[in-house]
Amino acid sequence: EVQLVESGGGLVQPGGSLRLSCAASGFKFTSYWMAWVRQAPGKGLEWVANIKQDGSQTYSADSVKGRFTISRDNAKNSLYLQMNSLRAEDTAVYYCTNKDDSWGQGTLVTVSP
Amino acid sequence: QAVVTQEPSLTVSPGGTVTLTCGSSTGVVTSGHYPYWFQQKPGQAPRTLIYHTSNKHSWTPARFSGSLLGGKAALTLSGAQPEDEAEYYCMLSYSGVGELFGGGTRLTVL
Repeated sequence: EVQLVESGGGLVQPGGSLRLSCAASGFKFTSYWMAWVRQAPGKGLEWVANIKQDGSQTYSADSVKGRFTISRDNAKNSLYLQMNSLRAEDTAVYYCTNKDDSWGQGTLVTVSP
Repeated sequence: QAVVTQEPSLTVSPGGTVTLTCGSSTGVVTSGHYPYWFQQKPGQAPRTLIYHTSNKHSWTPARFSGSLLGGKAALTLSGAQPEDEAEYYCMLSYSGVGELFGGGTRLTVL
């Protein structure tokens, strides 16, 4: 069974940091670009960042560039998102996905004093 | 930065046909944008319906189809069912830049 399980969300103060993790199973992780997508409360989907199969290329949205870093550990079938200098507008459910066929259930990040 | 546009809302009658579109502010949408279509129902994670313009998954109902139409990516639903009521998002890839979602189309089956 294909599974993507996110963890690491929670409540953080503005300016703080969080590291999200996504554990993949049931598919060949190393064959896929992987991505983080977020959804603010009541809003649409927003692409955050993605990373090539071997980690050699990454892209990120302008809204998070310089603050968020995507990475992966293929030996652990895991995807990560390091989030620094968090702002209130980063409050959202963060999804891990390979876009083609698999999505996690999401982890909620709340940035608030 | 590019902007991806979708109809904010559409309504279709049960059994009817509707086409959702996905445009790009940079010009014509092509297969090189690798268009995706996702379905999201309230309280649920998104689900991939269509990838790379027109490819379906085993879970994609046959009544959904993807194409390029009039310079845009398109998702056509033929024979709408009540369970198709949902938010639909398209996503386009921009070489060397990344990816962008459209704002979503809220589809009502009524």
